[in-house]
Amino acid sequence: GAVVSQHPSRVICKSGTSVKIECRSLDFQATTMFWYRQFPKQSLMLMATSNEGSKATYEQGVEKDKFLINHASLTLSTLTVTSAHPEDSSFYICSARGSGWASYEQYFGPGTRLTVT
Amino acid sequence: AQTVTQSQPEMSVQEAETVTLSCTYDTSESDYYLFWYKQPPSRQMILVIRQEAYKQQNATENRFSVNFQKAAKSFSLKISDSQLGDAAMYFCAYRSAGLSGGGADGLTFGKGTHLIIQP
Repeated sequence: GAVVSQHPSRVICKSGTSVKIECRSLDFQATTMFWYRQFPKQSLMLMATSNEGSKATYEQGVEKDKFLINHASLTLSTLTVTSAHPEDSSFYICSARGSGWASYEQYFGPGTRLTVT
Repeated sequence: AQTVTQSQPEMSVQEAETVTLSCTYDTSESDYYLFWYKQPPSRQMILVIRQEAYKQQNATENRFSVNFQKAAKSFSLKISDSQLGDAAMYFCAYRSAGLSGGGADGLTFGKGTHLIIQP
């Protein structure tokens, strides 16, 4: 159990366009979802935390108008990178935590590699 | 804010040997969780082991065990009988337990240790 999927796995977009990344919990209800960013050969940095039906809480230094997070249901959260620029190129990973047995840990998605040209 | 420090960017060990990865952290909280995650080349994050700060007993999961020293804020991972499949990046992570004990905070990660297994 506790499977989290992300779509797409890879995306290339042109500078100035927006791109949406989906994160889904497949076999549990995710009361909380997290979005992380990982640059090459670096660690994961928490970008934001979202609870279903509430506005996301962004970490210091993360532009909330640039990285739009929506957690509209207990199985889906989306991250939209607006007006993307080459410096937004990175690996984006979501994780989810639910209740009961699914509260033991955060369950990670496989990640999305974003390349902005 | 909490910080997690992994001072070993890279470690190498012979297959079947034992290796210990170091992690220290800084926090003013008394209740929290510590984790070791493995990230293979696929980049899928895999939980290796978890430790609750209120538990004095060190966590173990098969060949993986930790040495949790709360007063020293140290949380090392020992891998016994290393296998080729253990080769990966290993991240130490911290999470606050929060007021309810369940916590809603995200994870704070160390910079990682690249573990190489020599056949």
